Amino acid sequence: QLQLQESGPGLVKPSETLSLTCTVSGGSISSSSYFWGWIRQPPGKGLEWIGSIYYDGSTYYNPSLKSRVAISVDTSKNHFSLKLSSVTAADTAVYYCARETSLRSNWFDPWGQGTLVTVSS
Amino acid sequence: QSVLTQPPSASGTPGQRVTISCSGSRSNIGNNYVYWYQQLPGTAPKLLIYKNNERPSGVPDRFSGSKSGTSASLAISGLRSEDEADYYCAAWDDSLSGGVFGGGTKLTVL
Repeated sequence: QLQLQESGPGLVKPSETLSLTCTVSGGSISSSSYFWGWIRQPPGKGLEWIGSIYYDGSTYYNPSLKSRVAISVDTSKNHFSLKLSSVTAADTAVYYCARETSLRSNWFDPWGQGTLVTVSS
Repeated sequence: QSVLTQPPSASGTPGQRVTISCSGSRSNIGNNYVYWYQQLPGTAPKLLIYKNNERPSGVPDRFSGSKSGTSASLAISGLRSEDEADYYCAAWDDSLSGGVFGGGTKLTVL
C-alpha cells in the first residue's frame, strides 16, 4: 500500500526558505504512470495546489507561486522535495504531498498526513 | 475567492440525500474532469470521486458524482453521522495552467 510522509521544520522565519521532503513507501517514485505533488491548506481555509513533478524532474507549478517555488526529486531516496522562498505569514499552512494520477489533472490519491509549517519570527 | 464555487455549508438528517454543487467555467469544469475530496476533521483529504463520477475502491456507493456543462455535483444518499466532513471539488484549469479547488463545503449531519 502506497504511503507518503512529509517531513521538515515546523517553524520558518519570515523571508527565509521553507523546505519539506515527502518520502514515498510501498511503491517506486520512478513509476512512469504517476506524478507527485504538493498542496497546502492555511488554517481554517481551503486547499491550494502548489506544484507537481515527474520522476524525470519535469515540473509544473501554480502560476501564483511559480517565482518562489522549486520542486525536486531524488529517485535514489524515493522522495521528492519542496522549497518555497521568501516566505511570509501568508505561507503558514498544513503542507500535504500526494501522488497525482495523471498529468495536469488535480487528481491526487493517496495523500500524506500533512505537516504544519508556521512562518513567524 | 476560489476559482470553483461551492456553497460554504450544507446539512441533512440521517438517511437523507444531500447534494453539494460546484460551479466553474469552460476552462476548468467545462473542459476537464472533476474530482471530489472528503476531509474528515483533523485529517488529510481523501479522494472520493474521480473523473466526474467514478468511485475509488472502498468508497461506498452512497456517494455519487455528476457533471453537466460547467457545473458538477456530489450527491450523498442515506446520510450517516460519519459523513460529517468538508468536501472539496477540484479540476485542472486550462487558462490558468494550474490545478484549482473549490472553497469547500462543510457538511453537518443534524
